[in-house]
Amino acid sequence: QKEVEQDPGPLSVPEGAIVSLNCTYSNSAFQYFMWYRQYSRKGPELLMYTYSSGNKEDGRFTAQVDKSSKYISLFIRDSQPSDSATYLCAMSARGSARQLTFGSGTQLTVLP
Amino acid sequence: GAVVSQHPSRVICKSGTSVKIECRSLDFQATTMFWYRQFPKQSLMLMATSNEGSKATYEQGVEKDKFLINHASLTLSTLTVTSAHPEDSSFYICSAQGTPRDTQYFGPGTRLTVL
Repeated sequence: QKEVEQDPGPLSVPEGAIVSLNCTYSNSAFQYFMWYRQYSRKGPELLMYTYSSGNKEDGRFTAQVDKSSKYISLFIRDSQPSDSATYLCAMSARGSARQLTFGSGTQLTVLP
Repeated sequence: GAVVSQHPSRVICKSGTSVKIECRSLDFQATTMFWYRQFPKQSLMLMATSNEGSKATYEQGVEKDKFLINHASLTLSTLTVTSAHPEDSSFYICSAQGTPRDTQYFGPGTRLTVL
């Protein structure tokens, strides 16, 4: 079993839809949770960074962490074609300076 | 967010040659840099972790004599693929972490093609 599980998709939604991306994990030591967006042939771009449980909102993006269920989510409101990319969840045990454990990535396409 | 650059963005070389990839943190001091490899439609695979002024720590299965990493300053790390072969063709991505940043920021990646 992988430490971090993420549905690879692909996921296609119409423009304006709410997108929900999820990851589950097995290592209870994980405390820091990140979401990265990666466009084709580009490096990952940090979208959200959260510590421990709770919600964090940044514009159209909301990250949720439920440590009791070992489950994290990224919600994208009013999705746009420019959101089409691969979304990677990542987590670490002692701060992101430490090694990150990545999910496999979910490929998202927002259709105009 | 922080800016991390990589150079070159693409390189094509003949089998047996060595290729150097540079990773720079442009607006912060990177005490730790990471090198990843990514195959098409797959997630990132950590190759090694390097701290400024120290030897890199390689992940299991990564040949340290083939993938030479140098982190001589707080803004620059280099990855040299020695005696490259076609199976080394991949997308190589670095990330940097340091003060005052508290998370990893990734470079744009380098696509290596070995003929």
